[in-house]
Amino acid sequence: GAVVSQHPSWVICKSGTSVKIECRSLDFQATTMFWYRQFPKQSLMLMATSNEGSKATYEQGVEKDKFLINHASLTLSTLTVTSAHPEDSSFYICSATRTGEGYEQYFGPGTRLTVT
Amino acid sequence: GENVEQHPSTLSVQEGDSAVIKCTYSDSASNYFPWYKQELGKRPQLIIDIRSNVGEKKDQRIAVTLNKTAKHFSLHITETQPEDSAVYFCAARRDYKLSFGAGTTVTVRA
Repeated sequence: GAVVSQHPSWVICKSGTSVKIECRSLDFQATTMFWYRQFPKQSLMLMATSNEGSKATYEQGVEKDKFLINHASLTLSTLTVTSAHPEDSSFYICSATRTGEGYEQYFGPGTRLTVT
Repeated sequence: GENVEQHPSTLSVQEGDSAVIKCTYSDSASNYFPWYKQELGKRPQLIIDIRSNVGEKKDQRIAVTLNKTAKHFSLHITETQPEDSAVYFCAARRDYKLSFGAGTTVTVRA
């Protein structure tokens, strides 16, 4: 149990376009989901915390108007990168915690975004 | 916010030897400390974790120790094997959020 999926696994888009990434908890309900960004050979950096039915909480330095997060159900959170630029190219990983639990985060497989 | 420092950044060990990675954290309110193994292009995989009310935990060849007073925790891998080669991240949790260390690239030489 505790499987998290992401779609797409990789995407290439042109500069100026928007890209939506989905994160789903397949076999559990996730009140809270997290979005991370990981540049090559670097660590995971938390971008935002996504709570079902409420606005996401963004980390300092992350533009909320550029990285739109929606957590409309207990199994789905989406991240939309608006007006993407080459510097947004990165590995985006989501994670989820089970409703009622607070410790372990279950990670998705990640989405490789390349902006040309 | 929480600041997690991890050392060393790279570690090369002979197969069969032990590997030790150390992390320090800054926020005494952090209460959960997981360790992840990540292979290139893959998701982080939880290998062991420890809560703040425990000093040591072991799972086969992997062990973690936590010193709350000094605010540091360590990962110990014994009898290393080539498949242990990967990047390892420590993390500290405060208020449901994880802060990650910079990572350690472990290479096990056959």
